[in-house]
Amino acid sequence: DSGVTQTPKHLITATGQRVTLRCSPRSGDLSVYWYQQSLDQGLQFLIQYYNGEERAKGNILERFSAQQFPDLHSELNLSSLELGDSALYFCASSGGARHTGELFFGEGSRLTVL
Amino acid sequence: AQKVTQAQTEISVVEKEDVTLDCVYETRDTTYYLFWYKQPPSGELVFLIRRNSFDEQNEISGRYSWNFQKSTSSFNFTITASQVVDSAVYFCALSEERPPGANSKLTFGKGITLSVRP
Repeated sequence: DSGVTQTPKHLITATGQRVTLRCSPRSGDLSVYWYQQSLDQGLQFLIQYYNGEERAKGNILERFSAQQFPDLHSELNLSSLELGDSALYFCASSGGARHTGELFFGEGSRLTVL
Repeated sequence: AQKVTQAQTEISVVEKEDVTLDCVYETRDTTYYLFWYKQPPSGELVFLIRRNSFDEQNEISGRYSWNFQKSTSSFNFTITASQVVDSAVYFCALSEERPPGANSKLTFGKGITLSVRP
């Protein structure tokens, strides 16, 4: 158990809809990262937050947005969903008192867009 | 820009065989971290090892060993006497060294699917 919690674990929705994925980082971790894993693209970095502020942005679509709240949990919002958005979305955390570089990943949220 | 190449996409071995997973990286940084993660069929990403760029000592942990060679920009992973439970996708990853909160995201390779047959 990495200590990172993601909900929901599975989500099935239709094209054009909007979903929100939630992530609770490990206790004490200040950074949250979102990654997308699809069959053809591998693990793609989407966005990073540190203590509530956006710190780095990767290949995140404009239809996607994220935020980190004062209690450090994070949400990834995906809107106007397309078939190609079907993927496994991972949240990871790091940056606790003994930050040593590795990221600790949640079990992922599997999104299926029909 | 950082890049991680895992040229092998799928490897299949018979139980008890040794297997080496290759990883080649590119970075302009002089200080960086290298990682291996395992993704079993259940889907979670499990951290296996971290190595910083100043530590070229090889590491052994049970049946797992890692060979870091800066001269060839490689960080290879060997599983000795493979077992069926080793079947998974293995990812090599790279990050810049930054203080906590800065840009220390991981850049992943495409992953290697390892199948260990009984």
